[in-house]
Amino acid sequence: QQQVKQSPQSLIVQKGGISIINCAYENTAFDYFPWYQQFPGKGPALLIAIRPDVSEKKEGRFTISFNKSAKQFSLHIMDSQPGDSATYFCAVGGSNYKLTFGKGTLLTVNP
Amino acid sequence: DAEITQSPRHKITETGRQVTLACHQTWNHNNMFWYRQDLGHGLRLIHYSYGVHDTNKGEVSDGYSVSRSNTEDLPLTLESAASSQTSVYFCASSGGQGITEAFFGQGTRLTVV
Repeated sequence: QQQVKQSPQSLIVQKGGISIINCAYENTAFDYFPWYQQFPGKGPALLIAIRPDVSEKKEGRFTISFNKSAKQFSLHIMDSQPGDSATYFCAVGGSNYKLTFGKGTLLTVNP
Repeated sequence: DAEITQSPRHKITETGRQVTLACHQTWNHNNMFWYRQDLGHGLRLIHYSYGVHDTNKGEVSDGYSVSRSNTEDLPLTLESAASSQTSVYFCASSGGQGITEAFFGQGTRLTVV
């Protein structure tokens, strides 16, 4: 059973637009919801993370929206830039320290 | 600066050979993880360790093994390489109180021919 469902698989956005990537999870025991960014040839790197005691977290142009009752969370990239073109992974984690990742979204921001 | 390094970055091996991928971290993290990344599958957990002499199986552990003899290193061994194990392998580590950020290495691209 897939514990984390991420959509869309790929996304093309114009420069200055808003990119939105969604994730849904099954297990209510998860209490850590990070987003990772990966550039070609590099390892994933933490972009932003949220815990279930808040519904939104913003860091610069990046925002996580979290809906605990719906078991969904999303990443919003405002004013998307060509440098944001990368693969984005959502993940879920809990008390066992393991992260389970979504399948990833390839974001392309056209200039 | 603390870091996590993997070696080699690229490797080509033949079917049936034993292969070991190295992972070394200087964060002094207790938790270490091995993932494989394949198109359409994202990152899947192979094995993980919470400390010295501790190892645990992840969701895709068949054909792989790990050992943890010290805090810094978690080598991943493919006992008898198969073409299905052609992939990009990432090592990660995390530490601190509760679940926190995992730091990833640069990856090892393994091709089994």
